[in-house]
Amino acid sequence: SAVISQKPSRDICQRGTSLTIQCQVDSQVTMMFWYRQQPGQSLTLIATANQGSEATYESGFVIDKFPISRPNLTFSTLTVSNMSPEDSSIYLCSAGTGGGYEQYFGPGTRLTVT
Amino acid sequence: GQQVMQIPQYQHVQEGEDFTTYCNSSTTLSNIQWYKQRPGGHPVFLIQLVKSGEVKKQKRLTFQFGEAKKNSSLHITATQTTDVGTYFCAGRQGGQNFVFGPGTRLSVLP
Repeated sequence: SAVISQKPSRDICQRGTSLTIQCQVDSQVTMMFWYRQQPGQSLTLIATANQGSEATYESGFVIDKFPISRPNLTFSTLTVSNMSPEDSSIYLCSAGTGGGYEQYFGPGTRLTVT
Repeated sequence: GQQVMQIPQYQHVQEGEDFTTYCNSSTTLSNIQWYKQRPGGHPVFLIQLVKSGEVKKQKRLTFQFGEAKKNSSLHITATQTTDVGTYFCAGRQGGQNFVFGPGTRLSVLP
């Protein structure tokens, strides 16, 4: 298993600004992922954070809007750029372990854009 | 693209009753995972199934992977109030990423 921490836990931001969310894992992991979850909804994968190379984005998500960094095997950041109220959501990072990539999730960052 | 569905969307049970949620994929899966998310919490990994027809048990929880590897179920025997939460299945096709189902929200009345 892995223990994941995220910062900040919540934030209220103004339209047009950017927020960077940090994700720290307590051990080296191969896979790290970023998800978005609206309250009461399922998880939508934003991208896979690749160590040492560009992130792999899912359909509907682009690097200009959600730049991701992964400088090493224990840390990743997700930036939500030029925010609008539609970006209000919970953002979760996860670490994939094991051969089948069981995912261990961080506590999430609750973002509100006004 | 790959789609994962779950039924029911909501389930209300009396404490002590059994509960089952079903997960169905539009395509054959290489493996399937189950997660539980308590209200206000984050998803927690429960189990992974890989083999056709596989059955795994965790105390009162029984997980099944269908013979065709397109469906799965989670059954809870004699529910308790601690079982409250949303149960998600997540299916993976080949080397692709996992796709999460919409979840089944379980409430347990004491």
